[in-house]
Amino acid sequence: GENVEQHPSTLSVQEGDSAVIKCTYSDSASNYFPWYKQELGKRPQLIIDIRSNVGEKKDQRIAVTLNKTAKHFSLHITETQPEDSAVYFCAATYSWGKLQFGAGTQVVVTP
Amino acid sequence: DGGITQSPKYLFRKEGQNVTLSCEQNLNHDAMYWYRQDPGQGLRLIYYSQIVNDFQKGDIAEGYSVSREKKESFPLTVTSAQKNPTAFYLCASSPSTGSYNEQFFGPGTRLTVL
Repeated sequence: GENVEQHPSTLSVQEGDSAVIKCTYSDSASNYFPWYKQELGKRPQLIIDIRSNVGEKKDQRIAVTLNKTAKHFSLHITETQPEDSAVYFCAATYSWGKLQFGAGTQVVVTP
Repeated sequence: DGGITQSPKYLFRKEGQNVTLSCEQNLNHDAMYWYRQDPGQGLRLIYYSQIVNDFQKGDIAEGYSVSREKKESFPLTVTSAQKNPTAFYLCASSPSTGSYNEQFFGPGTRLTVL
């Protein structure tokens, strides 16, 4: 099956700085890579996703990059704000659309 | 995301009891999923269903059971065989199980064993 590793487990940044979260995956057949944001006690919500035929995707302050050769993908958040504080999960598809999730990154943005 | 509901929000179980968690969606999605979330870990797949009257085990199915008698409903039963059931349980749905399908999550049920 798929194995997804996510780093770092915690990330503390000053407001206005950038945050980068990295994930690696093992299944070369994976072709869809979503990122979810989960606030404390709430449901995960999709913030951005990327398909395997694209190397980079941006949505305002959020961007995701994908390197299929190296089997890694990253989330970039620029100009961080306190409301960006949450747990972020990467995921990769395997076997009929199932998702394998990383362990999560706790992001803390300090004013 | 309001198209997926879970109940109850909090559930307390005594040891040896079976409990059932409800998951309903009105998004007309074919696929539905159950995940377990423990502190410091990602979401782990318990069961999933691609169509009505069909479901498959995920990575941690032992001690759990499901049914899919209706397209909009996918209840999860936590049986007494599950030795450590205290966790946050999330239900999700997607249009199908093909690639590129976003999974939409319900608000979750927090289960605690007394």
